[in-house]
Amino acid sequence: DADVTQTPRNRITKTGKRIMLECSQTKGHDRMYWYRQDPGLGLRLIYYSFDVKDINKGEISDGYSVSRQAQAKFSLSLESAIPNQTALYFCATSDPNGGGRTITDTQYFGPGTRLTVL
Amino acid sequence: AQTVTQSQPEMSVQEAETVTLSCTYDTSESDYYLFWYKQPPSRQMILVIRQEAYKQQNATENRFSVNFQKAAKSFSLKISDSQLGDAAMYFCAEFNAGGTSYGKLTFGQGTILTVHP
Repeated sequence: DADVTQTPRNRITKTGKRIMLECSQTKGHDRMYWYRQDPGLGLRLIYYSFDVKDINKGEISDGYSVSRQAQAKFSLSLESAIPNQTALYFCATSDPNGGGRTITDTQYFGPGTRLTVL
Repeated sequence: AQTVTQSQPEMSVQEAETVTLSCTYDTSESDYYLFWYKQPPSRQMILVIRQEAYKQQNATENRFSVNFQKAAKSFSLKISDSQLGDAAMYFCAEFNAGGTSYGKLTFGQGTILTVHP
């Protein structure tokens, strides 16, 4: 089973709709991240969370909100979707201490969610 | 703020040959890590290699190696004996391990690598 999962994998929605993207992990990492990928721009950080009570804005947080329900779950919401939020969204996790199969401060990514806003 | 630049939008290589992907970065932090990630058509982000800034020795991982030039802030990826399965988008990224931007990973724009049989 995948260590970092994202649901849904693909989603098409309409302008103005509320959308939630979910991320779950079984890696036991405290740190979780949300990124969006656009052609020619690479991945850009939306929000990140170093533990359940610590949530921080990234470089492009406008129009997004997040919820860290538990150590293993980190959700991204678009309150009122707009077409320029059409992108590929990734969740990632990391551990500052490493150990086992985890490399210190290395981010491990989920499979991504392709979101299209019409 | 840190920036990462990949100046080659696309590169191509013949199977079994060697190719080098370029990356430059800019950070004011002294403690940082550098990464190369691979994104095949499946869109999964896969870690290729990692380099700690404090290490002078270049990281290697099987057919993948880096040329880390700290003073020039350059971090290129060399793929030897290229295989068809190496075809993907490659992203360079920089992680701040200290300072006010601690914990943030900044990505370059990506380089699409095509491998010809």
